[in-house]
Amino acid sequence: DAGITQSPRHKVTETGTPVTLRCHQTENHRYMYWYRQDPGHGLRLIHYSYGVKDTDKGEVSDGYSVSRSKTEDFLLTLESATSSQTSVYFCAISERGTSGRRAYNEQFFGPGTRLTVL
Amino acid sequence: QQQVKQSPQSLIVQKGGISIINCAYENTAFDYFPWYQQFPGKGPALLIAIRPDVSEKKEGRFTISFNKSAKQFSLHIMDSQPGDSATYFCAASVGYGGSQGNLIFGKGTKLSVKP
Repeated sequence: DAGITQSPRHKVTETGTPVTLRCHQTENHRYMYWYRQDPGHGLRLIHYSYGVKDTDKGEVSDGYSVSRSKTEDFLLTLESATSSQTSVYFCAISERGTSGRRAYNEQFFGPGTRLTVL
Repeated sequence: QQQVKQSPQSLIVQKGGISIINCAYENTAFDYFPWYQQFPGKGPALLIAIRPDVSEKKEGRFTISFNKSAKQFSLHIMDSQPGDSATYFCAASVGYGGSQGNLIFGKGTKLSVKP
């Protein structure tokens, strides 16, 4: 397995509270991503990072912010959690390139964080 | 135009049968088409991927068929086994740079292989 850990793995919180999820990698990959997975919606990109302090929005970024101060860490923050943010959150990492037999954009996913907002 | 439409949502196949999952896209600039496999409680993992310069790619029991003119690609699982029971996602991207290089995922197909 790629060296990706997510913490916490499970969290229950109340509406209106701030929540921070952490993704940590040991692969030194440039790109990091946060997705949410919901039944019937598949995987939707929240934010991604293409380097330290370089981040951009994804498809469903409203209500979320991210930070990347080190190559290995990518934080996802819900400033004021809402029930609609109850979901399973996945972090992913990738390198992108065309050299050798490496496929474009192979992403390696972490184990996920199940977040429940009551 | 950025969507990838995947069907069916769920699929039940008998052991030894062929599982077929289809995806369609509109953006003709897509040039990378991976399939990811996800077991319950785990993150997705790359299963097999294809580029549009070939019409088929096979790895063991898994085959991607790609039809560029129809803008469709599909995953075939031959001799399906109970251990193949998982959720499968197709995806697509443009090149490998910037936001276009981000993967666009289909909504997933839950496959159950009955013994």
